[in-house]
Amino acid sequence: AQRVTQPEKLLSVFKGAPVELKCNYSYSGSPELFWYVQYSRQRLQLLLRHISRESIKGFTADLNKGETSFHLKKPFAQEEDSAMYYCALSHTGFQKLVFGTGTRLLVSP
Amino acid sequence: SAVISQKPSRDICQRGTSLTIQCQVDSQVTMMFWYRQQPGQSLTLIATANQGSEATYESGFVIDKFPISRPNLTFSTLTVSNMSPEDSSIYLCSVRIYNEQFFGPGTRLTVL
Repeated sequence: AQRVTQPEKLLSVFKGAPVELKCNYSYSGSPELFWYVQYSRQRLQLLLRHISRESIKGFTADLNKGETSFHLKKPFAQEEDSAMYYCALSHTGFQKLVFGTGTRLLVSP
Repeated sequence: SAVISQKPSRDICQRGTSLTIQCQVDSQVTMMFWYRQQPGQSLTLIATANQGSEATYESGFVIDKFPISRPNLTFSTLTVSNMSPEDSSIYLCSVRIYNEQFFGPGTRLTVL
């Protein structure tokens, strides 16, 4: 069965500190992995996806198939990064998403 | 991109009643998805709404409880039937366009 695990419910850091939001998945095939973000009072939106290999707002995520992980990283956190972050998986070619339970990132000044 | 609107944005309902949530997309899409986000939990897919055919429900969700309509390529409704307090959740409509998933603002439902 497809499963996405985000072990941390809350991650609290100071501005300028590095950030790593953990995501592990279980899936027998070739998944697509995503990170979604929900800022306060805004709708859920795509942050980045593994196939794009891009950096968005300073965030990167590398798919590690050996460790079945897709951790989200940023070297220097900003206050505006405070939000709820969800890791999600979908089977390649399929459209439905399986979400993790989310991690709330709180960046303090 | 896609712009998705949902109605109502929120509602408070009595136990045993039903509520129909509407989802409108500004693009024609083949599949629309309905998710539920219970308090403090992640998003769970309820069903996939296909235009011209019956919706496909995920394990744990049934058509009698969550009937779905999909009359055209830009619109869908989800009904939460015979509600109980356990149905209190945020219900989200979603579509996928060019490998990106877009979400509606959600409907916050409280059942008393």
